[in-house]
Amino acid sequence: NAGVTQTPKFRILKIGQSMTLQCTQDMNHNYMYWYRQDPGMGLKLIYYSVGAGITDKGEVPNGYNVSRSTTEDFPLRLELAAPSQTSVYFCASSPAAGGSYEQYFGPGTRLTVT
Amino acid sequence: GQSLEQPSEVTAVEGAIVQINCTYQTSGFYGLSWYQQHDGGAPTFLSYNALDGLEETGRFSSFLSRSDSYGYLLLQELQMKDSASYFCAVRDRTGANNLFFGTGTRLTVIP
Repeated sequence: NAGVTQTPKFRILKIGQSMTLQCTQDMNHNYMYWYRQDPGMGLKLIYYSVGAGITDKGEVPNGYNVSRSTTEDFPLRLELAAPSQTSVYFCASSPAAGGSYEQYFGPGTRLTVT
Repeated sequence: GQSLEQPSEVTAVEGAIVQINCTYQTSGFYGLSWYQQHDGGAPTFLSYNALDGLEETGRFSSFLSRSDSYGYLLLQELQMKDSASYFCAVRDRTGANNLFFGTGTRLTVIP
């Protein structure tokens, strides 16, 4: 199993550009999440999904959009990039119930907006 | 809303024991998780406490007191590779296993 994969690893955007961060998991997890992590800080939840076709806002959703058309994929869309969106973005997934409620994280995408 | 407090930095000697504390305030609480993150890496799961008491996994243990809104991560027999950031995170009541993370404690292990 590859686990959670994210592309690209790095990206530089100009102010006002748009892009999509890709996230795919092969563990058949129902729940998926997008976080951002600013330097020296904890992770903040942007959006989450409990299954295909179902998404909801997290703590910091402004400036982002998501979709979940399949169990495996959960892309994050940035429209009109701003310098405040410079961050490291992590995608994660978890099984729906039971156990330790562990979230499995992808390797992250480092985004710089200039 | 939720808030978590952790010390920002801790330094400990190789082979020693270190405790990283976490206090939380939350409007809904299911459990407390701990994650490790090495520089440039992704967070990885260490432990989860839903009930009061101590959970042990190898060299790492985690404790929770729900009445005190307090938990800690205990690392024993410290190794240089344990140098990393450690985050506590509250699992909330959204029904999606959502986590609210603290700002992290940077642990430096010295020889």
